[in-house]
Amino acid sequence: DIVMTQSPDSLAVSLGERATITCKSSQTVLYSSKNKNYLAWYQQKPRQPPNLLISWASTRESGVPDRFSGSGSGTDFTLTISSLQAEDVAVYYCQQYYTTPPTFGQGTRLEIK
Amino acid sequence: IQLVQSGAEVKKPGSSVRVSCKASGGTFITSTFTWVRQAPGQGPEWMGKVVPILNITHYAQKFQGRLTVSADRSTNTAYMELSSLRSEDTAIYYCATMNSESYYGTGYFDYWGQGTLVTVSS
Repeated sequence: DIVMTQSPDSLAVSLGERATITCKSSQTVLYSSKNKNYLAWYQQKPRQPPNLLISWASTRESGVPDRFSGSGSGTDFTLTISSLQAEDVAVYYCQQYYTTPPTFGQGTRLEIK
Repeated sequence: IQLVQSGAEVKKPGSSVRVSCKASGGTFITSTFTWVRQAPGQGPEWMGKVVPILNITHYAQKFQGRLTVSADRSTNTAYMELSSLRSEDTAIYYCATMNSESYYGTGYFDYWGQGTLVTVSS
């Protein structure tokens, strides 16, 4: 199975500041012939299911604010929130879908400083 | 697509649990329904999937032999049954639709049910 490792485990950022979460896969999730990275990001608020933010490493889902962006390729990926808002307090997960079983990172808890 | 799951369950060790997931607002037969669980304080864990249009299932190796997922086209409902329950199975169980390039491959999870808490305790 591909192991997804996120860092940091928790993060405190001031309102309006940038938040950056990284995700590393134990093997590549880049399908070279298609030039696609099989990597998604989710946001999970308390007592709610995960909510898909980004697929294909950098494609924002409809309705997701443009302060959220994804980048990276191969084995190293980043989720960036450009200007933290109070409603962004949540746990964030990356997930690979390059191969079965799909696997998630352990999560990064984002709080307000 | 909206996914509505059945209510919380409390089960004894060694017993089985069945959770339902009723879908509306989309095309049930062409969707892929998956089950993902999340233990307290842990990340999500994929368990298995069912593809109604092909009537195929695929399970994570960890759950082989204990997990059955199915889909009832007549009621637009997916089901997950987990047997031989143990305390480590205490978790929130989610159904979710999988968006993938192929019914035989894997993908990301675009729509989620509200979750069903299953507690295994003697």
